[in-house]
Amino acid sequence: KNEVEQSPQNLTAQEGEFITINCSYSVGISALHWLQQHPGGGIVSLFMLSSGKKKHGRLIATINIQEKHSSLHITASHPRDSAVYICAVSIIQGAQKLVFGQGTRLTINP
Amino acid sequence: EPEVTQTPSHQVTQMGQEVILRCVPISNHLYFYWYRQILGQKVEFLVSFYNNEISEKSEIFDDQFSVERPDGSNFTLKIRSTKLEDSAMYFCASSEGWAGYTFGSGTRLTVV
Repeated sequence: KNEVEQSPQNLTAQEGEFITINCSYSVGISALHWLQQHPGGGIVSLFMLSSGKKKHGRLIATINIQEKHSSLHITASHPRDSAVYICAVSIIQGAQKLVFGQGTRLTINP
Repeated sequence: EPEVTQTPSHQVTQMGQEVILRCVPISNHLYFYWYRQILGQKVEFLVSFYNNEISEKSEIFDDQFSVERPDGSNFTLKIRSTKLEDSAMYFCASSEGWAGYTFGSGTRLTVV
């Protein structure tokens, strides 16, 4: 069983749409990370959350610890937001290593 | 903004050869990691390194793999006797602990 599950696996939307990507996890965590991976392969850290909500520009990340669920929202989506978005968690007993979800491939059409 | 630097960006090697992937973590970070991503699959943890020793390793990280911090700045992953299934993107990362997690841009290893 995967410890971190994301949905949807693929998402295609039109420019300007509000985007939501979901992440559920089944283990105790110390933090949850949202990451972005572009076609070239590099990984960029977007957010690290242990509670509540964070906002950076058009990106918003929320986490509900009791429900073991997090969401990443993108407002006013743009073609340059097209990428794979990955949820990863730091497990409490797992030192600082990250356990990754399978990623959500987002395509924003102009 | 501080970066984690990985070299080379792409390496092609013959099956059975040894490769060394190099990383320069962020200078004030204490924890260093190697992850890999086989094409089409999720990123998976290989090994973490703290205080000049391995702090945790995955089942994948067997005797074929080793890590070193040969000086104050470099962090290397050595893969001995490479196999076709070692072809993947290898990511180095460093962190201050729970916070400040930063990834390198990756080394794409192709074993032929």
